[in-house]
Amino acid sequence: GAVVSQHPSWVICKSGTSVKIECRSLDFQATTMFWYRQFPKQSLMLMATSNEGSKATYEQGVEKDKFLINHASLTLSTLTVTSAHPEDSSFYICSARDSGSATDTQYFGPGTRLTVL
Amino acid sequence: QKEVEQDPGPLSVPEGAIVSLNCTYSNSAFQYFMWYRQYSRKGPELLMYTYSSGNKEDGRFTAQVDKSSKYISLFIRDSQPSDSATYLCAMRYSSASKIIFGSGTRLSIRP
Repeated sequence: GAVVSQHPSWVICKSGTSVKIECRSLDFQATTMFWYRQFPKQSLMLMATSNEGSKATYEQGVEKDKFLINHASLTLSTLTVTSAHPEDSSFYICSARDSGSATDTQYFGPGTRLTVL
Repeated sequence: QKEVEQDPGPLSVPEGAIVSLNCTYSNSAFQYFMWYRQYSRKGPELLMYTYSSGNKEDGRFTAQVDKSSKYISLFIRDSQPSDSATYLCAMRYSSASKIIFGSGTRLSIRP
């Protein structure tokens, strides 16, 4: 199946700093990528939909100025958590839609664990 | 009421048993149904993808969709310890719409 990578796999930062997470589709082009957040023992919650070359669409309750998304190419989307605080500590997962597949399947990355001290 | 309901478990069964995982949903407009497996501290992995009602089989896994009852199931035959993971049901209205996830069921297969 298609592969989606994320970098870094984990990051620890101090409160008030910004953290950038990269999501790459390795063997297909993804015009649309998605960013999710998952708290322990909970399901994935969609944060935003990232479209190549245009502004991201944020879900209700997600601060667009805090979670900056850039989808600069067909294989790369980045999520920047600005001025991170301990409550932002979570597991961040991206997915990429393979629009070239018959089923328009979304493939998920391995996730990035963010810990804010 | 949540759009997608899934028993969080945990569910523990002996190796070799048949496992049945289920989800119910409230909106009849859902057309695409998926099951994902997620190991601890990893991203979800797509296991089964079904459009509309019916059954789909892939190896030891069988997915069933009953749209009249708004009920979907995943069966795992000859369960293995390596099947121990969280299983997430998911669905969406169209091939381009966002995915709505269930809360996930934690499954443990005892050797």
